[in-house]
Amino acid sequence: DSGVTQTPKHLITATGQRVTLRCSPRSGDLSVYWYQQSLDQGLQFLIQYYNGEERAKGNILERFSAQQFPDLHSELNLSSLELGDSALYFCASAASEGIGYGYTFGSGTRLTVV
Amino acid sequence: GQSLEQPSEVTAVEGAIVQINCTYQTSGFYGLSWYQQHDGGAPTFLSYNALDGLEETGRFSSFLSRSDSYGYLLLQELQMKDSASYFCAVKESAAGNKLTFGGGTRVLVKP
Repeated sequence: DSGVTQTPKHLITATGQRVTLRCSPRSGDLSVYWYQQSLDQGLQFLIQYYNGEERAKGNILERFSAQQFPDLHSELNLSSLELGDSALYFCASAASEGIGYGYTFGSGTRLTVV
Repeated sequence: GQSLEQPSEVTAVEGAIVQINCTYQTSGFYGLSWYQQHDGGAPTFLSYNALDGLEETGRFSSFLSRSDSYGYLLLQELQMKDSASYFCAVKESAAGNKLTFGGGTRVLVKP
Protein backbone atom coordinates (compact mmCIF):
# COMPACT_ATOMS: atom_id res chain seq x y z
CA ASP A 1 0.00 0.00 0.00
CA SER A 2 1.62 3.22 -1.20
CA GLY A 3 -0.52 5.44 0.99
CA VAL A 4 -2.25 7.03 -2.00
CA THR A 5 -5.79 5.73 -2.33
CA GLN A 6 -7.74 5.80 -5.55
CA THR A 7 -11.33 4.78 -6.00
CA PRO A 8 -12.89 3.07 -7.77
CA LYS A 9 -10.31 0.59 -9.07
CA HIS A 10 -12.38 -0.26 -12.10
CA LEU A 11 -15.11 1.62 -13.88
CA ILE A 12 -17.11 0.62 -16.94
CA THR A 13 -19.44 3.19 -18.41
CA ALA A 14 -21.11 4.13 -21.66
CA THR A 15 -20.18 6.85 -24.10
CA GLY A 16 -21.66 10.21 -23.25
CA GLN A 17 -21.69 9.53 -19.53
CA ARG A 18 -19.92 11.36 -16.72
CA VAL A 19 -17.73 9.79 -14.04
CA THR A 20 -15.80 10.98 -11.00
CA LEU A 21 -12.50 9.50 -9.94
CA ARG A 22 -11.33 10.05 -6.40
CA CYS A 23 -7.87 10.29 -4.90
CA SER A 24 -6.70 10.59 -1.31
CA PRO A 25 -3.05 11.59 -1.12
CA ARG A 26 -0.50 10.16 1.25
CA SER A 27 -0.75 11.63 4.72
CA GLY A 28 1.08 14.95 4.84
CA ASP A 29 1.38 15.37 1.08
CA LEU A 30 -0.05 18.63 -0.21
CA SER A 31 0.45 18.11 -3.95
CA VAL A 32 -1.78 15.92 -6.07
CA TYR A 33 -1.16 15.09 -9.71
CA TRP A 34 -3.40 13.35 -12.21
CA TYR A 35 -1.97 11.32 -15.07
CA GLN A 36 -3.60 9.38 -17.88
CA GLN A 37 -2.04 6.21 -19.27
CA SER A 38 -3.53 4.70 -22.39
CA LEU A 39 -2.74 1.14 -23.44
CA ASP A 40 1.00 0.58 -23.73
CA GLN A 41 1.62 4.31 -23.54
CA GLY A 42 3.52 6.57 -21.23
CA LEU A 43 1.96 8.73 -18.59
CA GLN A 44 0.36 11.93 -19.80
CA PHE A 45 0.16 14.73 -17.28
CA LEU A 46 -3.32 16.15 -16.82
CA ILE A 47 -3.33 18.54 -13.89
CA GLN A 48 -1.68 19.39 -10.55
CA TYR A 49 -3.08 20.80 -7.34
CA TYR A 50 -1.19 22.07 -4.34
CA ASN A 51 -2.99 22.69 -1.07
CA GLY A 52 -6.27 23.27 -2.85
CA GLU A 53 -5.01 25.46 -5.67
CA GLU A 54 -4.50 24.51 -9.29
CA ARG A 55 -0.80 24.76 -10.05
CA ALA A 56 -0.18 23.29 -13.48
CA LYS A 57 -2.23 22.04 -16.38
CA GLY A 58 -1.22 19.60 -19.09
CA ASN A 59 -3.10 18.48 -22.14
CA ILE A 60 -6.33 18.09 -20.25
CA LEU A 61 -9.47 18.08 -22.34
CA GLU A 62 -12.17 20.67 -21.69
CA ARG A 63 -14.51 17.77 -20.90
CA PHE A 64 -12.27 16.95 -17.94
CA SER A 65 -12.07 18.93 -14.73
CA ALA A 66 -10.60 18.43 -11.30
CA GLN A 67 -10.47 19.94 -7.87
CA GLN A 68 -8.73 19.48 -4.56
CA PHE A 69 -10.79 19.81 -1.42
CA PRO A 70 -9.83 21.28 1.97
CA ASP A 71 -9.08 17.80 3.30
CA LEU A 72 -6.65 17.49 0.35
CA HIS A 73 -8.42 14.69 -1.43
CA SER A 74 -8.92 15.32 -5.12
CA GLU A 75 -11.51 14.39 -7.69
CA LEU A 76 -11.16 14.13 -11.45
CA ASN A 77 -14.40 14.56 -13.35
CA LEU A 78 -14.68 13.19 -16.86
CA SER A 79 -17.78 14.07 -18.86
CA SER A 80 -19.24 13.35 -22.30
CA LEU A 81 -17.08 10.26 -22.32
CA GLU A 82 -15.73 8.89 -25.57
CA LEU A 83 -14.25 5.50 -26.39
CA GLY A 84 -10.81 7.09 -26.55
CA ASP A 85 -11.04 8.10 -22.90
CA SER A 86 -10.60 4.47 -21.91
CA ALA A 87 -7.35 4.39 -19.97
CA LEU A 88 -5.69 4.00 -16.59
CA TYR A 89 -5.94 7.17 -14.56
CA PHE A 90 -3.31 7.60 -11.90
CA CYS A 91 -3.14 9.99 -9.05
CA ALA A 92 0.20 10.78 -7.43
CA SER A 93 1.09 12.84 -4.41
CA ALA A 94 4.18 14.63 -3.16
CA ALA A 95 5.00 16.48 0.01
CA SER A 96 5.89 19.78 -1.59
CA GLU A 97 6.27 21.55 -4.89
CA GLY A 98 9.95 22.09 -5.21
CA ILE A 99 11.16 18.54 -5.50
CA GLY A 100 11.25 16.71 -8.77
CA TYR A 101 11.31 13.18 -7.52
CA GLY A 102 9.75 10.65 -5.24
CA TYR A 103 6.16 10.92 -6.35
CA THR A 104 3.95 8.30 -4.76
CA PHE A 105 1.39 6.87 -7.14
CA GLY A 106 -1.90 5.27 -6.32
CA SER A 107 -2.89 1.97 -7.89
CA GLY A 108 -5.00 3.74 -10.49
CA THR A 109 -8.53 3.65 -11.80
CA ARG A 110 -9.07 1.63 -14.95
CA LEU A 111 -11.78 3.33 -16.97
CA THR A 112 -13.45 1.46 -19.79
CA VAL A 113 -15.87 3.36 -22.00
CA VAL A 114 -18.14 1.14 -24.07
CA GLY B 1 8.26 20.57 -28.55
CA GLN B 2 9.10 18.44 -25.56
CA SER B 3 10.10 14.81 -25.97
CA LEU B 4 11.80 12.01 -24.12
CA GLU B 5 13.07 9.11 -26.15
CA GLN B 6 13.61 5.61 -24.78
CA PRO B 7 13.94 2.22 -26.46
CA SER B 8 10.60 0.45 -26.54
CA GLU B 9 11.81 -2.96 -25.42
CA VAL B 10 14.87 -4.74 -24.08
CA THR B 11 15.31 -8.46 -23.45
CA ALA B 12 18.02 -9.98 -21.28
CA VAL B 13 18.72 -13.08 -19.20
CA GLU B 14 18.85 -13.39 -15.45
CA GLY B 15 22.09 -12.12 -13.99
CA ALA B 16 22.81 -9.86 -16.95
CA ILE B 17 23.17 -6.07 -17.05
CA VAL B 18 20.75 -3.83 -18.94
CA GLN B 19 21.18 -0.15 -19.75
CA ILE B 20 18.09 1.90 -20.64
CA ASN B 21 18.93 5.16 -22.35
CA CYS B 22 16.82 8.30 -22.23
CA THR B 23 17.42 11.39 -24.34
CA TYR B 24 15.31 14.42 -23.69
CA GLN B 25 14.36 17.64 -25.39
CA THR B 26 12.34 19.81 -23.04
CA SER B 27 11.66 23.48 -22.50
CA GLY B 28 13.44 23.37 -19.15
CA PHE B 29 15.34 20.87 -17.08
CA TYR B 30 15.45 20.50 -13.34
CA GLY B 31 16.10 16.80 -12.95
CA LEU B 32 15.65 13.32 -14.42
CA SER B 33 13.71 10.63 -12.59
CA TRP B 34 13.18 6.94 -13.23
CA TYR B 35 10.07 4.92 -12.40
CA GLN B 36 9.32 1.23 -12.57
CA GLN B 37 5.89 -0.10 -13.45
CA HIS B 38 4.86 -3.74 -13.40
CA ASP B 39 1.98 -4.73 -15.64
CA GLY B 40 -1.26 -3.38 -14.22
CA GLY B 41 0.55 -1.77 -11.33
CA ALA B 42 1.38 1.71 -10.14
CA PRO B 43 4.62 3.41 -11.14
CA THR B 44 7.13 3.37 -8.31
CA PHE B 45 9.99 5.79 -7.92
CA LEU B 46 13.50 4.39 -8.49
CA SER B 47 15.99 7.23 -8.70
CA TYR B 48 16.60 10.88 -9.42
CA ASN B 49 19.49 12.87 -10.90
CA ALA B 50 19.63 16.64 -10.74
CA LEU B 51 23.36 16.92 -11.32
CA ASP B 52 25.72 15.21 -13.74
CA GLY B 53 27.07 11.88 -12.65
CA LEU B 54 26.12 8.48 -11.39
CA GLU B 55 23.71 7.69 -8.56
CA GLU B 56 23.76 4.16 -7.21
CA THR B 57 20.96 2.50 -5.30
CA GLY B 58 21.56 -1.21 -4.80
CA ARG B 59 21.40 -3.07 -8.09
CA PHE B 60 20.10 0.01 -9.92
CA SER B 61 22.16 3.02 -10.95
CA SER B 62 21.19 6.14 -12.84
CA PHE B 63 23.40 8.50 -14.79
CA LEU B 64 22.89 12.00 -16.12
CA SER B 65 24.76 14.20 -18.56
CA ARG B 66 22.99 17.55 -18.82
CA SER B 67 25.29 18.78 -21.59
CA ASP B 68 24.22 15.82 -23.72
CA SER B 69 20.56 15.89 -22.58
CA TYR B 70 21.01 12.24 -21.84
CA GLY B 71 20.64 9.82 -19.01
CA TYR B 72 20.45 6.12 -18.43
CA LEU B 73 19.22 3.58 -15.93
CA LEU B 74 21.48 0.60 -15.32
CA LEU B 75 19.96 -2.59 -14.01
CA GLN B 76 22.54 -5.04 -12.70
CA GLU B 77 22.28 -8.69 -11.66
CA LEU B 78 18.93 -8.91 -13.37
CA GLN B 79 16.23 -10.89 -11.62
CA MET B 80 12.93 -12.19 -12.98
CA LYS B 81 11.09 -9.67 -10.83
CA ASP B 82 12.79 -6.85 -12.76
CA SER B 83 10.57 -7.63 -15.74
CA ALA B 84 8.59 -4.40 -15.96
CA SER B 85 8.34 -1.12 -17.81
CA TYR B 86 10.78 1.62 -16.93
CA PHE B 87 10.02 5.29 -17.52
CA CYS B 88 12.29 8.28 -17.48
CA ALA B 89 10.71 11.59 -16.52
CA VAL B 90 11.87 15.20 -16.57
CA LYS B 91 10.92 18.01 -14.22
CA GLU B 92 10.70 20.96 -16.59
CA SER B 93 10.10 23.92 -14.35
CA ALA B 94 11.37 25.18 -11.04
CA ALA B 95 7.85 25.78 -9.77
CA GLY B 96 5.47 22.91 -9.43
CA ASN B 97 6.40 19.28 -9.76
CA LYS B 98 4.96 18.44 -13.14
CA LEU B 99 6.86 15.54 -14.66
CA THR B 100 7.00 14.78 -18.36
CA PHE B 101 7.34 11.04 -18.94
CA GLY B 102 8.97 9.10 -21.74
CA GLY B 103 7.07 6.34 -23.50
CA GLY B 104 8.65 3.65 -21.35
CA THR B 105 10.96 0.70 -21.97
CA ARG B 106 9.61 -2.78 -21.44
CA VAL B 107 12.29 -5.02 -19.95
CA LEU B 108 11.79 -8.75 -20.30
CA VAL B 109 14.05 -10.94 -18.18
CA LYS B 110 14.40 -14.54 -19.33
CA PRO B 111 15.68 -17.47 -17.26
